Amino acid sequence: GESVGLHLPTLSVQEGDNSIINCAYSNSASDYFIWYKQESGKGPQFIIDIRSNMDKRQGQRVTVLLNKTVKHLSLQIAATQPGDSAVYFCAERGAGGTSYGKLTFGQGTILTVHP
Amino acid sequence: NAGVTQTPKFRVLKTGQSMTLLCAQDMNHEYMYWYRQDPGMGLRLIHYSVGEGTTAKGEVPDGYNVSRLKKQNFLLGLESAAPSQTSVYFCASSYSFGQSYEQYFGPGTRLTVT
Repeated sequence: GESVGLHLPTLSVQEGDNSIINCAYSNSASDYFIWYKQESGKGPQFIIDIRSNMDKRQGQRVTVLLNKTVKHLSLQIAATQPGDSAVYFCAERGAGGTSYGKLTFGQGTILTVHP
Repeated sequence: NAGVTQTPKFRVLKTGQSMTLLCAQDMNHEYMYWYRQDPGMGLRLIHYSVGEGTTAKGEVPDGYNVSRLKKQNFLLGLESAAPSQTSVYFCASSYSFGQSYEQYFGPGTRLTVT
């Protein structure tokens, strides 16, 4: 899986399968986490976010799970479609009043969905 | 509502030339950010601004300057471009309050320095 700091992993799935993209973070004080999707040639788009006082949050076809004990974040995509093919980034916000919403991004996971 | 726009979309510079990238947002966001994205890497923060007239350094500020003269605009300048600055540049903006720290991104500027 991805780490806020490592090489770019890849995940290939068949259309209709469920996808799980992982992310490890290093700052135990981070209080907010977010997943972005980036299609080729475009800017990142928001998928879902979660605060550190939660361990699960669901959106449309997506679920984010947060395990603070092991500093791990995952994005689950149900019934993956070819249009889900993209690079997925996790990002964290360090806690503290002067963070100004600054996010630290992981290096991304390439998801390829085969028809 | 255009969101976040960036100009230009593409640019090729020779080493030593200067240029300014323009970012504009129409969401009345207080915070704005400039990132660079290199192949196989995530987004790295260059500079950011927490309001009109204020700027601050991010993770990789060397070789860049910024200005935020108007709330809706955030300019990124390269005074003397170097090949190491070949990258895709993204601007983003966000609210300064609320439950979400979502940053809204522009489409990017692809810069090549030869």
